[in-house]
Amino acid sequence: GQSLEQPSEVTAVEGAIVQINCTYQTSGFYGLSWYQQHDGGAPTFLSYNALDGLEETGRFSSFLSRSDSYGYLLLQELQMKDSASYFCAVRDRDSWGKLQFGAGTQVVVTP
Amino acid sequence: DTEVTQTPKHLVMGMTNKKSLKCEQHMGHRAMYWYKQKAKKPPELMFVYSYEKLSINESVPSRFSPECPNSSLLNLHLHALQPEDSALYLCASSQDPGAGYGYTFGSGTRLTVV
Repeated sequence: GQSLEQPSEVTAVEGAIVQINCTYQTSGFYGLSWYQQHDGGAPTFLSYNALDGLEETGRFSSFLSRSDSYGYLLLQELQMKDSASYFCAVRDRDSWGKLQFGAGTQVVVTP
Repeated sequence: DTEVTQTPKHLVMGMTNKKSLKCEQHMGHRAMYWYKQKAKKPPELMFVYSYEKLSINESVPSRFSPECPNSSLLNLHLHALQPEDSALYLCASSQDPGAGYGYTFGSGTRLTVV
């Protein structure tokens, strides 16, 4: 089975940096991905880490440590439009085709 | 075309009605998915289609019946639903059925069962 833990809510001001942590337990880890979802909108794929290290995509970066079963999403230069829910998700090696989502982190950006 | 299109966007149905949700993608993706999402909760997997064949059914009640007429289309047929089935139903697709990343989601159908 799989389980993921991430904080329920993070609040920060415009221009700040936010780090959303995700710890996971799986029987055979395959990869960690991140999705953003605005209220009333569709989840949007942000990034994917299969190997240890940092992946950078513009203002967003994602990190993975397989030995610690831990990853994070880093949001830099926060903008109001970054207010959304952010989900980490894992695909377990033994769960082909199944993407398991964490409970989600609500990011609130204030002026 | 880099989108997944879902229709209708909103649906209200009675418990004795039969309705269908539709999903379409033209990205050549070989896997398509149905997810159910309740408010303030993560998406929950319902069905996975890989190369137009049903590969995963997450023990979904038979009142939900998926169908994949071709590689671009995915339907979810609804019959005799319960009020607790009210939710946002999301369709998604991915290039690689087993990759677990790079899913493209539609905007969903917001279903209300009365």
